[in-house]
Amino acid sequence: EPEVTQTPSHQVTQMGQEVILRCVPISNHLYFYWYRQILGQKVEFLVSFYNNEISEKSEIFDDQFSVERPDGSNFTLKIRSTKLEDSAMYFCASSSTAYEQYFGPGTRLTVT
Amino acid sequence: AQSVSQHNHHVILSEAASLELGCNYSYGGTVNLFWYVQYPGQHLQLLLKYFSGDPLVKGIKGFEAEFIKSKFSFNLRKPSVQWSDTAEYFCAVTVPLRGGKLIFGQGTELSVKP
Repeated sequence: EPEVTQTPSHQVTQMGQEVILRCVPISNHLYFYWYRQILGQKVEFLVSFYNNEISEKSEIFDDQFSVERPDGSNFTLKIRSTKLEDSAMYFCASSSTAYEQYFGPGTRLTVT
Repeated sequence: AQSVSQHNHHVILSEAASLELGCNYSYGGTVNLFWYVQYPGQHLQLLLKYFSGDPLVKGIKGFEAEFIKSKFSFNLRKPSVQWSDTAEYFCAVTVPLRGGKLIFGQGTELSVKP
């Protein structure tokens, strides 16, 4: 069964550094999403992406964040200058219809 | 803005006990409703979904949920839980035709004692 994959599984970075989280969505899917979950809190929507552009973003998704689909398979989330409060689990999801999303295993980002 | 509320943060049950996890949402229009499960060390998996039609929906592993529109609720049930149901359960909603953004509840951790 096709799966969404994410790399790395755990990323440790220093405050102020740039990080890129990578996702490989399911191959025939057209809608892509990033969510995050700070420890002990809700899973929060960050951004949705369709047809090579952002379709919706949350208040969290400020200028420090960007997304890209650099080729036909990868979907990346970049944080330009990480802050301590960016420490969280980041989940990528994809969907063929925008109704049913399939999630990756997540990347745990630790900012020190 | 839409929001989702799950009533229980942590539920502890013995095997064979019945389960009901509460979920309420706030949105006046049509919504799609979901329950996701996250087993320890694994990713979020879809348990069941409701888009329209019969408000009683059945999902995988013997779970079911009932949509009660008048109560803005979508409670998850299972008649007899197993130790393997130990996991975190998330209720979520989307607004149709709005790009599919999922809004999650805070999750309920279920611990089933053998």
